[in-house]
Amino acid sequence: DAGVTQSPTHLIKTRGQQVTLRCSPKSGHDTVSWYQQALGQGPQFIFQYYEEEERQRGNFPDRFSGHQFPNYSSELNVNALLLGDSALYLCASSGWTLSLFIFGSGTRLTVV
Amino acid sequence: EDQVTQSPEALRLQEGESSSLNCSYTVSGLRGLFWYRQDPGKGPEFLFTLYSAGEEKEKERLKATLTKKESFLHITAPKPEDSATYLCAVQLNSGGYQKVTFGIGTKLQVIP
Repeated sequence: DAGVTQSPTHLIKTRGQQVTLRCSPKSGHDTVSWYQQALGQGPQFIFQYYEEEERQRGNFPDRFSGHQFPNYSSELNVNALLLGDSALYLCASSGWTLSLFIFGSGTRLTVV
Repeated sequence: EDQVTQSPEALRLQEGESSSLNCSYTVSGLRGLFWYRQDPGKGPEFLFTLYSAGEEKEKERLKATLTKKESFLHITAPKPEDSATYLCAVQLNSGGYQKVTFGIGTKLQVIP
């Protein structure tokens, strides 16, 4: 079992550009949650996808959007990148009850 | 507002010096509490889930306990390889859905 897979592992983008991050959940999991973790901080909830719909959203602007595909994989899109978007982006997969909440290794995004 | 507070923010121990990390929470609709270990630049690694006051779980040198308002992660005779950031997270009912909210973490350094 590959667990939760995120790609790419590292990414450097220029301010104003757009970026897409990808996540494949653990086999048997159908819910994907995305988090942003700035250096020295705890993960901050961005949004959660279940049944291909955004079910919950944290306090993030509309520049952050996402998608879930029929195979439960998910994408996080960020438009008009700002320097402050530089962070580790984490994907967590779970069943709907969230009783087992497993993370991928993350994508390190650097905005220059 | 739901809050998760971890203390101390940083802890330095000598190898073999036992201690405890604290996670206190002010939330409504608590479903469960998670503990994770996170190494620098990596995704959080799942350690424990606790569901009810009085519950305890152990793994090697770690033991997690839960009361109605807080959780403790006890580290017995730590080794340098236990050095990491330990994250606490609460699983909440939110608007008919469930989400997981994190604390800022405790950065543990174990000195040989």
